[in-house]
Amino acid sequence: NAGVTQTPKFQVLKTGQSMTLQCAQDMNHNSMYWYRQDPGMGLRLIYYSASEGTTDKGEVPNGYNVSRLNKREFSLRLESAAPSQTSVYFCASRAHGLAGGSDNEQFFGPGTRLTVL
Amino acid sequence: GQQVMQIPQYQHVQEGEDFTTYCNSSTTLSNIQWYKQRPGGHPVFLIQLVKSGEVKKQKRLTFQFGEAKKNSSLHITATQTTDVGTYFCAGNQAGTALIFGKGTTLSVSS
Repeated sequence: NAGVTQTPKFQVLKTGQSMTLQCAQDMNHNSMYWYRQDPGMGLRLIYYSASEGTTDKGEVPNGYNVSRLNKREFSLRLESAAPSQTSVYFCASRAHGLAGGSDNEQFFGPGTRLTVL
Repeated sequence: GQQVMQIPQYQHVQEGEDFTTYCNSSTTLSNIQWYKQRPGGHPVFLIQLVKSGEVKKQKRLTFQFGEAKKNSSLHITATQTTDVGTYFCAGNQAGTALIFGKGTTLSVSS
């Protein structure tokens, strides 16, 4: 099992450009998440998908859109990149939905380091 | 909205000293999880606590969940250089997404 994979690993954009960050998991998990990590700010939730076919806003959704393409894939799109979106982006998945349970741990991908000039 | 606060933000210790990080929530939590992120890496799940007053141990790591289910702590006994990294707590109420604390970054000198 590859777990959670993310592409690309690194990306440099100019202000105003658009791009899509890809995420896929092969663990048959129901829930998937997108976080951004900035120095001193911890992990902030951008969007999540509790199950295939649903998406919801997290703490910092402005400037982003998501697509839950199927159970495996959850993409994050920046329509018009801004320097404030320079960050490390992590995708994560979890077996169950929002409720707690024994299989409640989140598995994270390796991250995408994005710089917007 | 729900907030999870974590202190201290940074901690430097000499190898062999103990280390503790504390996590406090503004609301009662359904469960709390702890993650470790090595420098340049991604967060990795350590443990989940569900019951009020629960204490779990993993070798030199001891995790506690408060009686009111609003606070938690991670204690490392006799730190080693392999303990270096950022430790995050994350909690949620039933039916909501996990909220992460800002993390405690531990550095260890030998």
